Amino acid sequence: QKEVEQNSGPLSVPEGAIASLNCTYSDRGSQSFFWYRQYSGKSPELIMFIYSNGDKEDGRFTAQLNKASQYVSLLIRDSQPSDSATYLCAVTAIYNQGGKLIFGQGTELSVKP
Amino acid sequence: GAVVSQHPSWVICKSGTSVKIECRSLDFQATTMFWYRQFPKQSLMLMATSNEGSKATYEQGVEKDKFLINHASLTLSTLTVTSAHPEDSSFYICSAPLGRQINSPLHFGNGTRLTVT
Repeated sequence: QKEVEQNSGPLSVPEGAIASLNCTYSDRGSQSFFWYRQYSGKSPELIMFIYSNGDKEDGRFTAQLNKASQYVSLLIRDSQPSDSATYLCAVTAIYNQGGKLIFGQGTELSVKP
Repeated sequence: GAVVSQHPSWVICKSGTSVKIECRSLDFQATTMFWYRQFPKQSLMLMATSNEGSKATYEQGVEKDKFLINHASLTLSTLTVTSAHPEDSSFYICSAPLGRQINSPLHFGNGTRLTVT
């Protein structure tokens, strides 16, 4: 079992719709969870981070965390074509291990005009 | 603006030569930096943790003698790919935590695309 799993997609949504991206992780000791966006040929950029169970909203983005289910998600409201990218879920290694992050394989999102 | 600067952004080298990649934290100190590698259509794989003033910690399967890491100051870490081979061609990305807390998000440099011919 991979440490961090995501559906590779591609996930295709129409412009203006809600895009839902999901991620599961294997280590119950993980404490911090991050979503990064990566455009083709570019390095990842931080979108959201969440540490506690529940929802965290920032503009059009909402991160949701359920530690009991070892599940974290990212919702993108009013999706725009510029949101088309690969979204990477990242989790801190168990017991933090100096803050290093373990990444999922990423979900490719395509927002159609 | 960018908080982590990486240079060069791309490099082409011949097989058997060495390539040095620099990673700098801008306007903040980073006692720890992380080096990742990404092959096409794959996710980021952590290669090593760079520790200021001490030896780097390498992930399992990463050759420490091939990928030399030096973290000589609080704002600079370098990765040297020694005796590069075509299979080392990849996208190398450094990152640093912006805050002092152990859960601080990582910010990434722009990456270095290495092509070994």
